[in-house]
Amino acid sequence: EVQLVESGGGLVQPGRSLRLSCTASGFTFGDYAMSWVRQAPGKGLEWVGFIRSKAYGGTTEYAASVKGRFTISRDDSKSIAYLQMNSLKTEDTAVYYCTRDRPKAPEVDFDYWGQGTLVTVSS
Amino acid sequence: QSALTQPPSVSGSPGQSVTISCTGTSSDVGSYNRVSWYQQPPGTAPKLMIYEVSNRPSGVPDRFSGSKSGNTASLTISGLQAEDEADYYCSSYTSSSTPVVFGGGTKLTVL
Repeated sequence: EVQLVESGGGLVQPGRSLRLSCTASGFTFGDYAMSWVRQAPGKGLEWVGFIRSKAYGGTTEYAASVKGRFTISRDDSKSIAYLQMNSLKTEDTAVYYCTRDRPKAPEVDFDYWGQGTLVTVSS
Repeated sequence: QSALTQPPSVSGSPGQSVTISCTGTSSDVGSYNRVSWYQQPPGTAPKLMIYEVSNRPSGVPDRFSGSKSGNTASLTISGLQAEDEADYYCSSYTSSSTPVVFGGGTKLTVL
């Protein structure tokens, strides 16, 4: 059974940093691209970014709203994807979901989702 | 404002059919068959219901179907059930700088 478990969320002050983790199980993690999608309270879904599998270079892409501030990485030996968030803003407050991307480029379909972790940016 | 436009809400009675629209542009829905639909019941994570316009992942009931015409994609739910009550989001690949965009979401109420 595919499982994705996010961790690392919490309350953080504006301008500070936070790192989220997504621990995967039930599939060969290294074969898949992984994405992060967020949802502000009471709002819709917003794609944050993804990281391709090593077979496709392990490259990353990001939404314009987070580019230069957020970094996605992966540790295939531990089956973990990370979202490093720097220079956080109040508008980054959201539930952050880790997703597995369907194995067809471009990686824009998300076939499994974690339960999400809440990040609150406030002073 | 979301890149894809969905109606804020739709409703139907048990057993009826409802259709949710998702309107984009020639830069996304109109040019690529990479439209997906997600179901999000209250307080839970989204679930993939349709991918590549009209394909259902394993385990999704065939009451859910997807289609596309021009710049508009649609999700049709037939034989409505109480458990279908949820928010539904469409997404599409886009040729813009951001490769995927979502719709604003549609709240389905089963009367």
